[in-house]
Amino acid sequence: EPEVTQTPSHQVTQMGQEVILRCVPISNHLYFYWYRQILGQKVEFLVSFYNNEISEKSEIFDDQFSVERPDGSNFTLKIRSTKLEDSAMYFCASSKQGKNSPLHFGNGTRLTVT
Amino acid sequence: AQSVTQPDIHITVSEGASLELRCNYSYGATPYLFWYVQSPGQGLQLLLKYFSGDTLVQGIKGFEAEFKRSQSSFNLRKPSVHWSDAAEYFCAVGDKAAGNKLTFGGGTRVLVKP
Repeated sequence: EPEVTQTPSHQVTQMGQEVILRCVPISNHLYFYWYRQILGQKVEFLVSFYNNEISEKSEIFDDQFSVERPDGSNFTLKIRSTKLEDSAMYFCASSKQGKNSPLHFGNGTRLTVT
Repeated sequence: AQSVTQPDIHITVSEGASLELRCNYSYGATPYLFWYVQSPGQGLQLLLKYFSGDTLVQGIKGFEAEFKRSQSSFNLRKPSVHWSDAAEYFCAVGDKAAGNKLTFGGGTRVLVKP
């Protein structure tokens, strides 16, 4: 069964540094998402992306965050200047359609900001 | 705003016993409802979903869930658990107006005793 793949599985970075988290969604999916889970907290929606533009974003997704689909297969999340509170597990997901279409999640990237 | 509550943070069950995980949601209309499972070090795997129609939905790994509108609940059940069912289980509600933006519950961690 096709999978969403995320790299790296664990990223350690220093506060203030830029970090890029990478995802390869399922190939025939059209909608892409980033979620995050701070340790001990709920999984939270960050952003959804369709047709090369953001379709919705949460309050968490401020100017420090950006997403991009640089080619036909990758979907990236960039954090420009990381803060300690950005430490979390970041999950990429994709779905074939928007509504009525379940999300398929990757295994996540654990980001640790020191 | 929509919300999801999973009242049980931890549940311990004996192998072979039945399991029921509770989920209550708050949403203005008929929601999209999901159960995901997360094994250690893994991503979120979809167990089952409810969009419309039959309120008893069957999922993978022998799980089922029942949508009860009157109780705003979507409880997950399995008649006989296996040691491999030890994991964290997340209930989520989808916002029909916003494509696949999911709101997750806090999760229930299931421990299986031999």
